[in-house]
Amino acid sequence: LPVLTQPPSASALLGASIKLTCTLSSEHSTYTIEWYQQRPGRSPQYILAVKSDGSHSKGDGIPDRFMGSSSGADRYLTVSNLQSDDEAEYHCGESHTIDGQVGVIFGGGTKLTVL
Amino acid sequence: QVTLKESGPALVKPTQTLTLTCTFSGFSLSTGGMRVTWIRQPPGKALEWLARIDWDDDKFYSTSLKTRLTISKDTSRNQVVLTMTNMDPVDTATYYCARFYCITSNCWFDYWGQGTLVTVSS
Repeated sequence: LPVLTQPPSASALLGASIKLTCTLSSEHSTYTIEWYQQRPGRSPQYILAVKSDGSHSKGDGIPDRFMGSSSGADRYLTVSNLQSDDEAEYHCGESHTIDGQVGVIFGGGTKLTVL
Repeated sequence: QVTLKESGPALVKPTQTLTLTCTFSGFSLSTGGMRVTWIRQPPGKALEWLARIDWDDDKFYSTSLKTRLTISKDTSRNQVVLTMTNMDPVDTATYYCARFYCITSNCWFDYWGQGTLVTVSS
């Protein structure tokens, strides 16, 4: 089954950019993943999906400051012009059907601090 | 407007069975392609997918928890119910229901409930 790995924390200055990483297990490097933002005390919110070719599809109302990209088994979420409101936990997730078995895997999450 | 809301007990004792209800609006589980899932998050930990039920009553469970989980739907009431047997303190978590939306081969959780915190303690 796929495994998603995320660094536990990241930080960047207000107004700067940050590139968050979600790494797929090597044998699943072609899979599409989704990014979710979870502000403190809130439910997760879908941001965008990133395919292996780097193309991405955003959720409704997601600002242009959020972009997805890909390199090998890595899937990225770049947030530009960081706002204080971007301080949140960012989760990557992947849904699959393998050998008829349906499942969803999430990474451990990255806590983003905006300084 | 799509909304989902979880309800159920805030506290359960070890070995008891947990029953959670997800009441939703803005879509119908009798419509082709609609799917509702349950996901949980222990305090300070990662999200964990639990189960999914589809418009055609197909049901799917987490491999590690499938012996303890049952998911069902009441289409007339716009509700999805999850039961989890033999609760343990490690099952303490916020439980979310979410709609699982697919366009062609792309799928994601597009709407989430507010979550309900369930504590397992004697």
